[in-house]
Amino acid sequence: DTGVSQNPRHKITKRGQNVTFRCDPISEHNRLYWYRQTLGQGPEFLTYFQNEAQLEKSRLLSDRFSAERPKGSFSTLEIQRTEQGDSAMYLCASSSEPGTGENEQFFGPGTRLTVL
Amino acid sequence: AQSVTQPDIHITVSEGASLELRCNYSYGATPYLFWYVQSPGQGLQLLLKYFSGDTLVQGIKGFEAEFKRSQSSFNLRKPSVHWSDAAEYFCAVGRYSSASKIIFGSGTRLSIRP
Repeated sequence: DTGVSQNPRHKITKRGQNVTFRCDPISEHNRLYWYRQTLGQGPEFLTYFQNEAQLEKSRLLSDRFSAERPKGSFSTLEIQRTEQGDSAMYLCASSSEPGTGENEQFFGPGTRLTVL
Repeated sequence: AQSVTQPDIHITVSEGASLELRCNYSYGATPYLFWYVQSPGQGLQLLLKYFSGDTLVQGIKGFEAEFKRSQSSFNLRKPSVHWSDAAEYFCAVGRYSSASKIIFGSGTRLSIRP
């Protein structure tokens, strides 16, 4: 098991462009989470999935943001019409579901987005 | 509203000295509390967690934390720091378990003086 992986690790884009990030969770984990971390701040929760179902979305997840996990394995986070305020580290985590063990969230290395 | 406060933005301690990082939380129910560490270029790693039971919890890398309900605090301690402990430390609270939304504090950056 190689842990949670995220691609790309870095993305530079121009304002107004669309970007998509991918997260591959630990294979036996059925919960997957997205967080956003800006400079000097802690991670902020965006959304999470159990298998393919999106169970919760933060108000931070505006209409320009969409997350999917179509087959209950990897997930994508798309940002449309990027703005400079979207510049941040986007973190993905995965865990087992409650009642099935420790449930610790394991985090990936993140995708750093810079919007010019 | 749920929130986590880490009042110290940056702390510098000498190698071998003891460490205490402060954390206060605001939560309406019994919280699930965590401490994570983030090193440059590394992902977040869980140091320890508290759900119930003994209020003094032991974690990895020689860290421990004490839950004090009366003070709404969950401070992280280490008796003797090593240069490799230099990192960003985040206190966090979860709603139901580890496997749900986690709210993080803004972090405390720890520097180690040789």
